[in-house]
Parts: sequence; structure tokens; C-alpha cells
Amino acid sequence: EAQVTQNPRYLITVTGKKLTVTCSQNMNHEYMSWYRQDPGLGLRQIYYSMNVEVTDKGDVPEGYKVSRKEKRNFPLILESPSPNQTSLYFCASSFLAGGGEQFFGPGTRLTVL
Amino acid sequence: GENVEQHPSTLSVQEGDSAVIKCTYSDSASNYFPWYKQELGKRPQLIIDIRSNVGEKKDQRIAVTLNKTAKHFSLHITETQPEDSAVYFCAASTTSGTYKYIFGTGTRLKVLA
Repeated sequence: EAQVTQNPRYLITVTGKKLTVTCSQNMNHEYMSWYRQDPGLGLRQIYYSMNVEVTDKGDVPEGYKVSRKEKRNFPLILESPSPNQTSLYFCASSFLAGGGEQFFGPGTRLTVL
Repeated sequence: GENVEQHPSTLSVQEGDSAVIKCTYSDSASNYFPWYKQELGKRPQLIIDIRSNVGEKKDQRIAVTLNKTAKHFSLHITETQPEDSAVYFCAASTTSGTYKYIFGTGTRLKVLA
């Protein structure tokens, strides 16, 4: 089944404790992206990747890191999480960069205390 | 920076009536305009998209129109049904250059039976 998976789905952590949210897709998509969703602010792009080893900043990259060592995986790293990073996070992938349907993962709800 | 404004933020319509959601984008290089539907507790899913070389596209009860000169695009839903109740997001992106996706802040549509 073609899909985008994310883990964990729910996470409660404390300020400063490094964490990684994994994202994987099995559709051989070149473009992958991370978004955060906050009430009233819609979906804001954090980072995106056009292909392996090619990443770029979205609108809200501060406090996040990403890597794209394999085509199927695009982990999101929070090296020192803070309470303002409490949010719902979505990973997405698409066949085309910038111009095609994005398939979203199920979301990761992160709470930073 | 690039921006997508979406209006209204909430919209209530009677079942069977039409609903219109409008978006304005700022980046004149944008050439791909998707619309996503997000049901409560679910991930966003693409419902329709349009590219800059097309002025209108229809898919059953859903249509999207694009005015490149005014940098406006709109989602039209006719004969609304209760299952159309959801949050709708517009977005704009480019197929060259930055490959960023910019989403609007969302419209919560309620279809009243």
C-alpha cells in the first residue's frame, strides 16, 4: 500500500531533550517536506527536500534540522525542543518538486513541557 | 516573503447551497495551486488543483478558478452536503526556483443539514 508513515504519533517530552520524528514513504517520491500545524496559522513549511542530500528551508526552520540520506526517509530533528515547538507535525511527499499532489503522513502530535 | 491569504476563516452554509473560498497569493512565480481538505483528526488530502496555464478546472461538484493577473484563486463547492464539512486549505507553489509550498490559514466549512 502506497503510504507515508510517521513515528511516533504522539510524544510528550521536556525542554531541551533531543528528539527525532521519523518519516518514510514507499512511493519513490523525490520531494519530501515537513509542516507544522497550529490553530489559526494553517500549515507552515519547516524544511523540504528535492532529492537525496538536497534540502532547503521553508518558512519556519528555526529550531529544526533535517537530513535526507536515503530517498524514502526524511527525519525531523529537534536538538533542543522548547514549548513553542508544541504542535501537530505532518510529513508529506510528492513525485514532483513543487508542482504535484502531496501525500501526507498521519501526523505527530508533540507536546514540549 | 511569499504569502497566501485565505478568506473566510469560517463559513456556514445550508445543505444544498454553494460555498466559495478565496485565496490571494503574493509570489508572481507561483504556478501550481492545490486545494486540500482536512477532516477532523485526519491528514490533509488533495481535492483539486490547477496550474497557471489553466483558468478553470471542474471535478463534479468542485471547481477551482484562477485569475493570474489579480493573483486570486477560488474554490467553489456546489450542492453542498454534510460530508463537505471540514477545513479547507489553499496553497501556492512553484515548479522551479525555491520549490516552497505556501499554505493559506484554512477555512472551516460547516454544512448545516
